[in-house]
Amino acid sequence: DTEVTQTPKHLVMGMTNKKSLKCEQHMGHRAMYWYKQKAKKPPELMFVYSYEKLSINESVPSRFSPECPNSSLLNLHLHALQPEDSALYLCASSQEKAVEAFFGQGTRLTVV
Amino acid sequence: GENVEQHPSTLSVQEGDSAVIKCTYSDSASNYFPWYKQELGKGPQLIIDIRSNVGEKKDQRIAVTLNKTAKHFSLHITETQPEDSAVYFCASIPPASNYQLIWGAGTKLIIKP
Repeated sequence: DTEVTQTPKHLVMGMTNKKSLKCEQHMGHRAMYWYKQKAKKPPELMFVYSYEKLSINESVPSRFSPECPNSSLLNLHLHALQPEDSALYLCASSQEKAVEAFFGQGTRLTVV
Repeated sequence: GENVEQHPSTLSVQEGDSAVIKCTYSDSASNYFPWYKQELGKGPQLIIDIRSNVGEKKDQRIAVTLNKTAKHFSLHITETQPEDSAVYFCASIPPASNYQLIWGAGTKLIIKP
């Protein structure tokens, strides 16, 4: 099973809403990632969890709050987003380093 | 820091012909180079990768070559098919960070029937 599952696939939220994105993998990977991708651009790294601990935060605004409840799950809590935060949010996982990182299908987020 | 340049930005080839996408990296200590394929509305899919101790790797119709001296690596797709149409990204991992993939800008590959 080389699958990373993300829910929901699509999300529309208002600027005052609170929502969460979810990611799950069962490959035994110990590193999990959140990326943001704008149209026609490569993915931009937001957060990295290694062994369930936040390892990298790429200076992401506090309106994005990651959480790693266990080694298989990764959440991204969203609050008070701006329209410019609309993008495809991708989750990925890898064994340890970013070698052979597998991506989920993404959540298409629209902030209105 | 590491920088990856990718060319061309768009590539249109006739079905059945070969396609080649090239990337150049700046940090000579980088040692891992993956290629991802991203179809419309989907996440990136790892299609092939190469490590710095190998010069070439093949998997059916796709191959990757690495020239460490020139610091460039290329993706080769032979006998292209309509389902090869997608955006392809190259990337590298700089030695300073085990978790940070440095991405090329992407190549939109169009297969003409």
